[in-house]
Amino acid sequence: GENVEQHPSTLSVQEGDSAVIKCTYSDSASNYFPWYKQELGKGPQLIIDIRSNVGEKKDQRIAVTLNKTAKHFSLHITETQPEDSAVYFCAARKAAGNKLTFGGGTRVLVKP
Amino acid sequence: NAGVMQNPRHLVRRRGQEARLRCSPMKGHSHVYWYRQLPEEGLKFMVYLQKENIIDESGMPKERFSAEFPKEGPSILRIQQVVRGDSAAYFCASSPGYEKLFFGSGTQLSVL
Repeated sequence: GENVEQHPSTLSVQEGDSAVIKCTYSDSASNYFPWYKQELGKGPQLIIDIRSNVGEKKDQRIAVTLNKTAKHFSLHITETQPEDSAVYFCAARKAAGNKLTFGGGTRVLVKP
Repeated sequence: NAGVMQNPRHLVRRRGQEARLRCSPMKGHSHVYWYRQLPEEGLKFMVYLQKENIIDESGMPKERFSAEFPKEGPSILRIQQVVRGDSAAYFCASSPGYEKLFFGSGTQLSVL
């Protein structure tokens, strides 16, 4: 089955700096890659997603890149703010209707 | 449009008791997924259901765990004869059948 690896497991950045989280996946049939943000005591919240026919997608301070050949994708957060502190999860999925396989998560701490 | 509703938010059971977790998907969503999250860990897939059908239960333990999504009413995750190792946060997600999954706030199960 699909296996998703996520790095780093923890990331501490100064407010205003950028944060980058990287994920690799094993199944070349995966074609959908969402990112979720989970705050303490809450459920994961979808923040951005990308499909395999797109190489990059941006939404304000958040961007995701995908390299299908290398089977890796990354989340970029620019101009980080304290409210960006949370655990971020990447995931991969083969086709609509199939399960999402999640990475192990990255705990991001933005220091004011 | 209300989000995915899970109840209860917190559930305490003694070893050997039964736990019933409920999930009402977003309006118009007919696909439900259950995930389990242990402390400081990622989200592990358990089961994927559509109305009255179990589509994928590859992540469900073979014994004591069952899930249903009846024609009317919420999806239920049932854990019989709970043990301490069942203590975790259980998240439900729903989708309309396309890629995006939307998660509820979870049920924190504590087994004494």
